[in-house]
Amino acid sequence: EVQLVESGGGFVQPGGSLRLSCTASGFTFSSCNMNWVRQAPGQGLEWLSYISESGSPTFYADSVKGRFTISRDNAKNSLFLEMNSLTVEDTAVYYCARGEGSSWFRDWGQGTLVSVSS
Amino acid sequence: QAVVTQEPSLTVSPGGTVTLTCGSSTGAVTSNHYTYWFQQKPGQAPRTLIYDTSNKRPWTPARFSGSLLGDKAALTLSGAQPEDEAVYYCFLSYSDARWMFGGGTRLTVL
Repeated sequence: EVQLVESGGGFVQPGGSLRLSCTASGFTFSSCNMNWVRQAPGQGLEWLSYISESGSPTFYADSVKGRFTISRDNAKNSLFLEMNSLTVEDTAVYYCARGEGSSWFRDWGQGTLVSVSS
Repeated sequence: QAVVTQEPSLTVSPGGTVTLTCGSSTGAVTSNHYTYWFQQKPGQAPRTLIYDTSNKRPWTPARFSGSLLGDKAALTLSGAQPEDEAVYYCFLSYSDARWMFGGGTRLTVL
């Protein structure tokens, strides 16, 4: 069974940092591209970042470019999102999603909540 | 910055047919946008229904289909069921690696 489990969310003050993880199981992680997507409370989905199977290339939405860094550890079946200079606008549920081949979204995790507040 | 547009809300009768559309502020949506459609129910993660305009995932009910309709992408639901009530998001890929979701369409089955 394919599973994507996000972790690392929580409360952080504006200007702070947080590192999210997405642990994969039930499939060959190193063969899949991965994405991070977020959803602010009561709002729609926002694509954040993409990483290829090998770790390069990576792409970012303008809203997080220069502040967020996507990475992966294929040996540990894990995807990461390093988030810096957080603002209240970054408050959201963060989802990881896997793709395969030329397709980018197949399965989704259940999300982890990040709350940025003073 | 491109904007991806969807109907804010639509209503369909049980057993009826409804078409949701996905437009782009930059012009016509084509197969090169590799349109995705996602379904999200309250309190749940999104679920991918359609990829690359018209391809279905193994779990996508047969009553859902994706296509290009005029200058937009479209998701057609034929024979709506109560369990299809959800928010539907489209997603477009732009050639400069700018990927975007639409604002979502809240579909009511009533």
